[in-house]
Amino acid sequence: SQKIEQNSEALNIQEGKTATLTCNYTNYSPAYLQWYRQDPGRGPVFLLLIRENEKEKRKERLKVTFDTTLKQSLFHITASQPADSATYLCALEGDTGRRALTFGSGTRLQVQP
Amino acid sequence: ETGVTQTPRHLVMGMTNKKSLKCEQHLGHNAMYWYKQSAKKPLELMFVYSLEERVENNSVPSRFSPECPNSSHLFLHLHTLQPEDSALYLCASSQDIAEPHGNEQFFGPGTRLTVL
Repeated sequence: SQKIEQNSEALNIQEGKTATLTCNYTNYSPAYLQWYRQDPGRGPVFLLLIRENEKEKRKERLKVTFDTTLKQSLFHITASQPADSATYLCALEGDTGRRALTFGSGTRLQVQP
Repeated sequence: ETGVTQTPRHLVMGMTNKKSLKCEQHLGHNAMYWYKQSAKKPLELMFVYSLEERVENNSVPSRFSPECPNSSHLFLHLHTLQPEDSALYLCASSQDIAEPHGNEQFFGPGTRLTVL
């Protein structure tokens, strides 16, 4: 079955730096991959979707890349701010078809002022 | 607000109780989902409904019983739960399950369930 790994449980960076989070997957070739943000005690909030034929996608200070050869997505937050502190989840379509998402365990980002 | 509401936000129940979680979406979506989120574990998909029909059940114990009376409402009926069922239960909805939308999901705030 498919497996999703996010590079680390926690990442601490200084305000103004670029945060880079990694999502690796195995045993599947998804047509798209998504990134969500989750704050403590809240539901995840959709950020970006990138398709298999797209190498890169940007939204304001966010950038996502998708390398289907490496089976990896990178999620970048440039000019990070303390308000960016949250858990970031990657998700891809389930291997039972395009009916649901399979989520990674997330990376908790802490941006220090 | 994401357009998906869940009640109650917090629930404490004993192992012999019967309770229900409610989810409502105001987005006109056709698909709804229940997820379980335990500490330090990924979101676990429990049930998927598309157009009010259950299309996926990830081998969830029968003590969890979903109900989808229409495309805007989703329930999770709970009975004889175990302490290990304590978790955050999240409801989500999406436009549908077909391309080209991908499957962007809108989540509710969740119900924090504690089983004593």
